[in-house]
Amino acid sequence: AQKITQTQPGMFVQEKEAVTLDCTYDTSDPSYGLFWYKQPSSGEMIFLIYQGSYDQQNATEGRYSLNFQKARKSANLVISASQLGDSAMYFCAMREGLGGAQKLVFGQGTRLTINP
Amino acid sequence: EPEVTQTPSHQVTQMGQEVILRCVPISNHLYFYWYRQILGQKVEFLVSFYNNEISEKSEIFDDQFSVERPDGSNFTLKIRSTKLEDSAMYFCASSHTLTGDLNTEAFFGQGTRLTVV
Repeated sequence: AQKITQTQPGMFVQEKEAVTLDCTYDTSDPSYGLFWYKQPSSGEMIFLIYQGSYDQQNATEGRYSLNFQKARKSANLVISASQLGDSAMYFCAMREGLGGAQKLVFGQGTRLTINP
Repeated sequence: EPEVTQTPSHQVTQMGQEVILRCVPISNHLYFYWYRQILGQKVEFLVSFYNNEISEKSEIFDDQFSVERPDGSNFTLKIRSTKLEDSAMYFCASSHTLTGDLNTEAFFGQGTRLTVV
């Protein structure tokens, strides 16, 4: 079974609109972390936001927020006021367990295109 | 801001040749990783390294692969005899300071694009 599922292979959004990128996960470990990374066409992996399984509040980082619904096992990324520079691949990833090595399991990614 | 650096950014090699991909992790980080991304596919975990030994490895990380921290700063991935299917982007990452938050992200390098011909 897939541990991380991103069901949207591609998304097209108008500039300045908000966009939600879906991510569902599967784990039986009560301690886990969820991450979103951005991969522009240049190829590097840029960390965006982190949500811990015990965090009571949804994580926010500037224009990025994470809609964490633990019972549904979803961790959707919300980008507010999208910009042309947001066009990239976006990967959701999970780490199981607390501390220790960061073995991340990634989803297939969503290619986001922002139209002017 | 500290960053993970990888060299080279691109490498083309003949099938059967050995390659060494180099990484300089963030200096006060304790855990080091290699990930692989075949073109158009998701990022896959290869190996994690802590306290000068492998802490975990995936099925992909077979006997053709090895990692080493030859000195206090470099972290290398060696592929002994490259195959066509080793063509991919290879990412190095590091995480965790001694006194830092346990729940912290891994910082990725910019990647090395390996092409085996």
